[in-house]
Amino acid sequence: SQTIHQWPATLVQPVGSPLSLECTVEGTSNPNLYWYRQAAGRGLQLLFYSVGIGQISSEVPQNLSASRPQDRQFILSSKKLLLSDSGFYLCAWSVGGSGSPLHFGNGTRLTVT
Amino acid sequence: AQSVTQLDSHVSVSEGTPVLLRCNYSSSYSPSLFWYVQHPNKGLQLLLKYTSAATLVKGINGFEAEFKKSETSFHLTKPSAHMSDAAEYFCVVSVFNAGNNRKLIWGLGTSLAVNP
Repeated sequence: SQTIHQWPATLVQPVGSPLSLECTVEGTSNPNLYWYRQAAGRGLQLLFYSVGIGQISSEVPQNLSASRPQDRQFILSSKKLLLSDSGFYLCAWSVGGSGSPLHFGNGTRLTVT
Repeated sequence: AQSVTQLDSHVSVSEGTPVLLRCNYSSSYSPSLFWYVQHPNKGLQLLLKYTSAATLVKGINGFEAEFKKSETSFHLTKPSAHMSDAAEYFCVVSVFNAGNNRKLIWGLGTSLAVNP
């Protein structure tokens, strides 16, 4: 069966420090991978998605970047965190067309102080 | 333009009473529709999905939703609420954009409270 691992679960970082969140998927090949951010009291905002190794699409301009060094690994990074980067970050995967659902990791709660 | 509207940001029910979470969508194409549930500080779990088959879709935990094209609605229901149903619920539409790329449109969520 397919599983998705996302870590760390919580993270407190000072402003200006770097960030690296990692997500890995097991049990499936060539998945579509996604990074979402969920701010308090708001819906989900798609940050990045990837349809293959090295292929990253960015949905909104921001202080973050994403990389996919391996088929089932998706990394969210920042060189210098801002206060506004605080939020709940969710990684997800899917395979197939428009009728295929997304499967989410448990999320990372990032607090920038 | 494609959009999803969850008509209630908060819904409160008593345990054992029916649940209705409303979702309306706007899409130029035949969409796929999903409902997800999110418990506090957790990821999202798929409840059910509609993909142009039966219009009444049954999901996990006793939830179901009915796709009504004429009303452009996909409301989520459950006959009897349980305390463990207290969570945030998201309605999602999956469409293809002009570049034939898949796009997910998320509702802002409905917070369900279940009172004893």
